[in-house]
Amino acid sequence: DAKTTQPPSMDCAEGRAANLPCNHSTISGNEYVYWYRQIHSQGPQYIIHGLKNNETNEMASLIITEDRKSSTLILPHATLRDTAVYYCIVRVQSGGSYIPTFGRGTSLIVHP
Amino acid sequence: GAVVSQHPSRVICKSGTSVKIECRSLDFQATTMFWYRQFPKKSLMLMATSNEGSKATYEQGVEKDKFLINHASLTLSTLTVTSAHPEDSSFYICSARTTSPYNEQFFGPGTRLTVL
Repeated sequence: DAKTTQPPSMDCAEGRAANLPCNHSTISGNEYVYWYRQIHSQGPQYIIHGLKNNETNEMASLIITEDRKSSTLILPHATLRDTAVYYCIVRVQSGGSYIPTFGRGTSLIVHP
Repeated sequence: GAVVSQHPSRVICKSGTSVKIECRSLDFQATTMFWYRQFPKKSLMLMATSNEGSKATYEQGVEKDKFLINHASLTLSTLTVTSAHPEDSSFYICSARTTSPYNEQFFGPGTRLTVL
């Protein structure tokens, strides 16, 4: 059962910010929001995760709404190499019983 | 982040043969590894959860006698596709989970299997 919903596709001009939304209205208090991406014919790559505060790393920023029911992944200056499928997942961080599952994700196309 | 490798990266085999895919955690120990299958333009589908030293747990609809999983050490899990058929052609991805407290998950680069 899907715990997140994402738009199936988006496009963005190279050099502009890409803002990828994710709805997770049933998120529990101890669940984190994780983002991965998968470039064609490669394994998924971890991007960022957060609980309730906004997070930033060298790849992206994660903005989580105050009610935690949705979040946005921001790629500040998208490049052609950012073209990939982006997956938003909610999960508990600790505990060995978590089984990771993926939804359909958002296919982001960055064009020149 | 931690590194997970898969071997081979791609394999082509004849129908009826068996193919073994290796998944290794290179710089950490993984008590749990996962195997996924991905068809073109589809999301990753979890096939099975592999725990070191015990039998794998298969997802509904995945034949355990066809997809043999062995997790004999803390750094290696293998998936053997037995008597492969063209419909088994797919992208197989493994992932390894670190131990507590954060149970982070890292993915391998995938193995492209083509059955002729």
